[in-house]
Amino acid sequence: KAGVTQTPRYLIKTRGQQVTLSCSPISGHRSVSWYQQTPGQGLQFLFEYFSETQRNKGNFPGRFSGRQFSNSRSEMNVSTLELGDSALYLCASSSGTGDTEAFFGQGTRLTVV
Amino acid sequence: GESVGLHLPTLSVQEGDNSIINCAYSNSASDYFIWYKQESGKGPQFIIDIRSNMDKRQGQRVTVLLNKTVKHLSLQIAATQPGDSAVYFCAEKGPRGGGGNKLTFGTGTQLKVEL
Repeated sequence: KAGVTQTPRYLIKTRGQQVTLSCSPISGHRSVSWYQQTPGQGLQFLFEYFSETQRNKGNFPGRFSGRQFSNSRSEMNVSTLELGDSALYLCASSSGTGDTEAFFGQGTRLTVV
Repeated sequence: GESVGLHLPTLSVQEGDNSIINCAYSNSASDYFIWYKQESGKGPQFIIDIRSNMDKRQGQRVTVLLNKTVKHLSLQIAATQPGDSAVYFCAEKGPRGGGGNKLTFGTGTQLKVEL
């Protein structure tokens, strides 16, 4: 069974630009969560999508947004990039029902210059 | 000002010894806990989980202990191997019905296995 796939793996963007990251969850999983990982703040929850609806949201500005498609694939978008947005963005896939483990992708390393 | 990076506690153990990694969690209402292992350049990898109605759970070479009274979680790794070298995170999830799969992560512990 294929794991969680995140694309692209690496990305370099300029301040002020926007970026879209993609996540394909494990087949059959309906929940996709996004996390930001930085040396300064650790792993922080951005938002979760379940059956195309945002079910939970962390404390990030509105520049961070996401969506989920009918096939459960998810995208997150960051607009008006800032230097501080440089981070590893991780996507986690789970069935979405009950207490089940979340499986992470390899992440997208975003560098804002 | 410049942000300061998180200072990751480091645990150094000899190959073959047992390792114990500790974690204090924050929400007394959390009812599901997971340990993850993250190697350099990779995403976190699931190791073992435990629900709040249990105080111990064993896997292959790993054991998780949960003490709800003091909100403490520990991961024990038996016969530690060089491949166990990584950063280990505990994560907690709020009570069922509390909304989705949001995980709150600890700061992590760097495990170094010395030959």
